[in-house]
Amino acid sequence: EDKVVQSPLSLVVHEGDTVTLNCSYEVTNFRSLLWYKQEKKAPTFLFMLTSSGIEKKSGRLSSILDKKELFSILNITATQTGDSAIYLCAVEAPYGGATNKLIFGTGTLLAVQP
Amino acid sequence: EAGVAQSPRYKIIEKRQSVAFWCNPISGHATLYWYQQILGQGPKLLIQFQNNGVVDDSQLPKDRFSAERLKGVDSTLKIQPAKLEDSAVYLCASSLGAGSTDTQYFGPGTRLTVL
Repeated sequence: EDKVVQSPLSLVVHEGDTVTLNCSYEVTNFRSLLWYKQEKKAPTFLFMLTSSGIEKKSGRLSSILDKKELFSILNITATQTGDSAIYLCAVEAPYGGATNKLIFGTGTLLAVQP
Repeated sequence: EAGVAQSPRYKIIEKRQSVAFWCNPISGHATLYWYQQILGQGPKLLIQFQNNGVVDDSQLPKDRFSAERLKGVDSTLKIQPAKLEDSAVYLCASSLGAGSTDTQYFGPGTRLTVL
């Protein structure tokens, strides 16, 4: 059975800290890995990773994929209270007619304290 | 650009009652998804539409859940009858197509509580 596992489940840090969130996967027909940020309800897209070793970067957030070891990390530097959210990792795994089916992990709850 | 719209935002019902959720995707998006997110878990895909056709409903509990997208735009998800374990946030998402480069955009969700 396809699965996506995230760690830690929750994390509390202080503003200015750097955090690393982990995502490992066991998925048939892997196509890409995506990171989403979920505040309140709607997940918002952060990154899509398809190739190993190529870092994607957006401001203080960066992510990288290792397709050999089947994991990805999301780094957040100089954290701010506005970074507090659930960070979801999802793997795109085509299934039947669903060419871009997403399988989500349980998420990491990040709390940034002032 | 307007985002994915969902209604209602919150719904409280008793078990064995029926409930329906509505979703209006981003204009021009051919692919629409319904996800169920139980507290403490990631979203789980229930059904995916491409225009008005179903491409994947393998995880939809078809004895009680149904969904339709008759004109290839709006969609409704219905639960009849509801059970306690159906309490969750129901997220609708849409994407331009169903290819791997087509980012899924999520709506605000409907929080369902079944008492």
